Amino acid sequence: DIVLTQTPVSSPVTLGQPASISCRSSQSLVHSAGKTYLNWLQQRPGQPPRLLIYQASNRSSGVPDRFSGSGAGTDFTLKISRVEAEDVGVYYCMQATQFPRTFGQGTKLEIK
Amino acid sequence: EVQLVESGGDLVQPGGSLRLSCAASGFIFADYAMNWVRQAPGQGLEWVSSTTGRGDYITTYYADSVKGRFTISRDNSKNMLYLQMSSLRVEDTALYFCVKGLFLIDYWGRGTLVTVSS
Repeated sequence: DIVLTQTPVSSPVTLGQPASISCRSSQSLVHSAGKTYLNWLQQRPGQPPRLLIYQASNRSSGVPDRFSGSGAGTDFTLKISRVEAEDVGVYYCMQATQFPRTFGQGTKLEIK
Repeated sequence: EVQLVESGGDLVQPGGSLRLSCAASGFIFADYAMNWVRQAPGQGLEWVSSTTGRGDYITTYYADSVKGRFTISRDNSKNMLYLQMSSLRVEDTALYFCVKGLFLIDYWGRGTLVTVSS
């Protein structure tokens, strides 16, 4: 199974400042079809997860452009250029390259 | 608008059974793979099962933790996804989400709570 390791586990950030979350995979997430199926999800308190980024770097519909994803192979990053209060929650990376689907353990974004 | 509405969650004793349902709308259900993902209280996300394709080409996948105990199925004529759960364990206690997509996991329901306790 593919293991996804996220760092940090918790990220206290000042409003208006940037934030960055890393997701490292135990093996390459490049699918045989050539695409990389790494998703980033946001889960606000009391809410279901919401897709932010798909295929490592594509923003989902309606996601603000302060969110960006990058990376390839086994190393991926989610960046928030300027954190807003509504960004509080837990962020997960998830791979859909192979079964079983797996998630990172989550990174809790908090406001300082 | 895509909607996924789960139901069927309940309090059940260890060893018991339960069937979860997910009513889908706002997209051509038969064209998409569907998934169940769960979240134990205060914990992270765990993929449970997926069903892909249609008709004679439906393929199912299961997490090792539920293989042999859970069965995923779908009724494309009713736009419904199901999860039949048997031999339930305390560790199956979780909020179960119905999730659309195979590679692009783009919509999540709000979940239905399954509590396994004596």
